[in-house]
Amino acid sequence: DTGVSQNPRHKITKRGQNVTFRCDPISEHNRLYWYRQTLGQGPEFLTYFQNEAQLEKSRLLSDRFSAERPKGSFSTLEIQRTEQGDSAMYLCASSFGGPGELFFGEGSRLTVL
Amino acid sequence: AQSVTQLGSHVSVSEGALVLLRCNYSSSVPPYLFWYVQYPNQGLQLLLKYTSAATLVKGINGFEAEFKKSETSFHLTKPSAHMSDAAEYFCAVEGEYGNKLVFGAGTILRVKS
Repeated sequence: DTGVSQNPRHKITKRGQNVTFRCDPISEHNRLYWYRQTLGQGPEFLTYFQNEAQLEKSRLLSDRFSAERPKGSFSTLEIQRTEQGDSAMYLCASSFGGPGELFFGEGSRLTVL
Repeated sequence: AQSVTQLGSHVSVSEGALVLLRCNYSSSVPPYLFWYVQYPNQGLQLLLKYTSAATLVKGINGFEAEFKKSETSFHLTKPSAHMSDAAEYFCAVEGEYGNKLVFGAGTILRVKS
């Protein structure tokens, strides 16, 4: 059973650069979620997809952030013109149907210098 | 809006002692509640969930939680702590439209030998 896979696991970048994270969900799961986690905080919701449709975006997701899920399979989260405040762990999760049981990947840690 | 509050960012218990991690929720609709665990360098995984059936919910690894509507609580317990229980635990409530999970800030459990 292949779980949720995220790449890269770690990314160090300079302020102002663009970064992209990829998430491969469990194959039969139709919902895909992106969360952000900073030190001492729980995961904060960013956005979710049902199949290829992006159904909700958090206010945390500024216009520098964009997420896609072409063909309802893998998803990418791009951050443009990174800022130091973007440094965090970006978590991807998938589920079948409602949010119920989310299956999380190990996360992609972003450090912006 | 849905929210959860976890009382105590760090809890320390001796091996073999009772584990009690506290979670209080706020919900505008009958809540679905969850406990997730995150071991170091691993993704979050579901411990247990309450979905309006039995108020006492049993999960993996000997954990259980009791839903108390009058106290708006969903505390996590385990009768006897094991060293392998050391991890961070997150309480979560389903969003009011059933579209996402809202997480608490987490509680780090330390188990002393």
